[in-house]
Amino acid sequence: DSGVTQTPKHLITATGQRVTLRCSPRSGDLSVYWYQQSLDQGLQFLIQYYNGEERAKGNILERFSAQQFPDLHSELNLSSLELGDSALYFCASSWGAREADTQYFGPGTRLTVL
Amino acid sequence: GQQLNQSPQSMFIQEGEDVSMNCTSSSIFNTWLWYKQEPGEGPVLLIALYKAGELTSNGRLTAQFGITRKDSFLNISASIPSDVGIYFCAGQLAGNQFYFGTGTSLTVIP
Repeated sequence: DSGVTQTPKHLITATGQRVTLRCSPRSGDLSVYWYQQSLDQGLQFLIQYYNGEERAKGNILERFSAQQFPDLHSELNLSSLELGDSALYFCASSWGAREADTQYFGPGTRLTVL
Repeated sequence: GQQLNQSPQSMFIQEGEDVSMNCTSSSIFNTWLWYKQEPGEGPVLLIALYKAGELTSNGRLTAQFGITRKDSFLNISASIPSDVGIYFCAGQLAGNQFYFGTGTSLTVIP
């Protein structure tokens, strides 16, 4: 158990819908990272927040957005969902702002878009 | 996006054998990381490398940051059944961008 929690574990929805994935970092960690893992694209970094502020952006689509709240939990919002958005979405946390700081991954949310 | 070429794609080995896998890229990276992912779990960081030429060990695992900063390898010595999983390399470019390799699936036959 990494100490990072993600909800829900599974999510099934239809194309065009909007969903919100939630992540609670390990106690004391200030950085939250979001990743997408799909069969054809592998593991891709989406975005990082540090202490409430966006710190780094990866291959995140405009239909996706994220935020980190004052209590440091984070939410990833996915809108206008397409079949290709079906993937595992991981959240990771670390204490510092450096991306190379040890990141602890949550168990993931499996999103299925039908 | 950036392409990290990770090889081999999969390996089937006998327990006790040594394993070697590598990642190469056309880009220069500031940091190389190696992760292991087991079914139903998120990736777990195994080794982080911060300097060209750096050689770092973590138990039976050894990884090196290539001198050109465009490659890295991971060795596992005396493999055991619990080494089974998918191993990913990841590289960090200047500007905090992280890219992952396509993974090496390791199967250890007892």
